[in-house]
Amino acid sequence: GENVEQHPSTLSVQEGDSAVIKCTYSDSASNYFPWYKQELGKRPQLIIDIRSNVGEKKDQRIAVTLNKTAKHFSLHITETQPEDSAVYFCAAPYSGGGADGLTFGKGTHLIIQP
Amino acid sequence: ETGVTQTPRHLVMGMTNKKSLKCEQHLGHNAMYWYKQSAKKPLELMFVYSLEERVENNSVPSRFSPECPNSSHLFLHLHTLQPEDSALYLCASSRSGGLYGYTFGSGTRLTVV
Repeated sequence: GENVEQHPSTLSVQEGDSAVIKCTYSDSASNYFPWYKQELGKRPQLIIDIRSNVGEKKDQRIAVTLNKTAKHFSLHITETQPEDSAVYFCAAPYSGGGADGLTFGKGTHLIIQP
Repeated sequence: ETGVTQTPRHLVMGMTNKKSLKCEQHLGHNAMYWYKQSAKKPLELMFVYSLEERVENNSVPSRFSPECPNSSHLFLHLHTLQPEDSALYLCASSRSGGLYGYTFGSGTRLTVV
């Protein structure tokens, strides 16, 4: 199955600064890359996703970039706010493109310092 | 409520007990999943059902037995569990096809004593 590596495991930034979380994947056939946010004691929620036919996608303060050649994708959060504090997970298809099931990275604990 | 409901929310069971976790979705999705979340492995895929057929079984011990009677319901039957099976068990659903995000349930916090 797919192997997803996520870095860093913890990221602390000042409120208003930007945060970047990076993931790499192993299967070149993977074609779908979602990001989830999990607040303490709550379920993971999808915040943004990207398919392999585009290189970048934005939704207000969050964006995701994809480099298929290097097999990595990144989450960018600009103008961070206290409510952005959470654990963020990247994911890729468990067994390649077109298959249901996702493999998740180990998560990044994002801390927004006031 | 997100449309994916899991019951019970909390479960304490002895190692010789048999119990079942239930998941129900009303989103019209046709793929459903079980994940185990623990400090050691944050989101570990256990089972995948697509169009009511099991398409993935990620080397899960036989003491965990899934059941998907229809596209809206998913069960995880538990028997003779070990203390290391204590974790949060999350159910999720999505449209099938591998290009759609999940909606997760709130999870069942399982403690094996």
